Amino acid sequence: GAGVSQSPSNKVTEKGKDVELRCDPISGHTALYWYRQSLGQGLEFLIYFQGNSAPDKSGLPSDRFSAERTGGSVSTLTIQRTQQEDSAVYLCASSWYRGERAFFGQGTRLTVV
Amino acid sequence: SQQGEEDPQALSIQEGENATMNCSYKTSINNLQWYRQNSGRGLVHLILIRSNEREKHSGRLRVTLDTSKKSSSLLITASRAADTASYFCATVLIQGAQKLVFGQGTRLTINP
Repeated sequence: GAGVSQSPSNKVTEKGKDVELRCDPISGHTALYWYRQSLGQGLEFLIYFQGNSAPDKSGLPSDRFSAERTGGSVSTLTIQRTQQEDSAVYLCASSWYRGERAFFGQGTRLTVV
Repeated sequence: SQQGEEDPQALSIQEGENATMNCSYKTSINNLQWYRQNSGRGLVHLILIRSNEREKHSGRLRVTLDTSKKSSSLLITASRAADTASYFCATVLIQGAQKLVFGQGTRLTINP
């Protein structure tokens, strides 16, 4: 596609429910990043993929968070048993190779009520 | 802790003035990048400067890198109201997983 696409744009979920956030990177980009941003704060690194493998999962806040990437393309970030502190904007970015210029999606705003 | 830290946290200037933002980091880098964010959503890439470069320009933007001081600066000349945004630096380390690590950002406000 022309840019990085994230869905849904907004998600409201009840505490304790599971959610899946999707990221479609730019075609041909081998690196894919997930970040979390709370209101007025910086970007918190969650995980990144080079191809289908995740060299660095150190940012995942807890074992409720997981991510996968299939076919070197689409990635899904799953949050199980959501908590109110999970409320944030989740941003995805891709680049042709790790560490190079990144292109961001518009994010998914997650609200846990 | 964050690898890169921007300074100041907030900056407010008059339209037409120059704006300077700084970024300091702790560990040797492969490259450093600057991004802009409007309205708390997606970030837009501005400039990438590699560890063997000292200065880069793009339109009204000038970025410098001093690896001996582990710092970078972003200068926006002749600021416009549309430059109002948050600006983030991101570093890529030489060693380990070459992920992009962002600082907390500088909130820039251009007053008409």
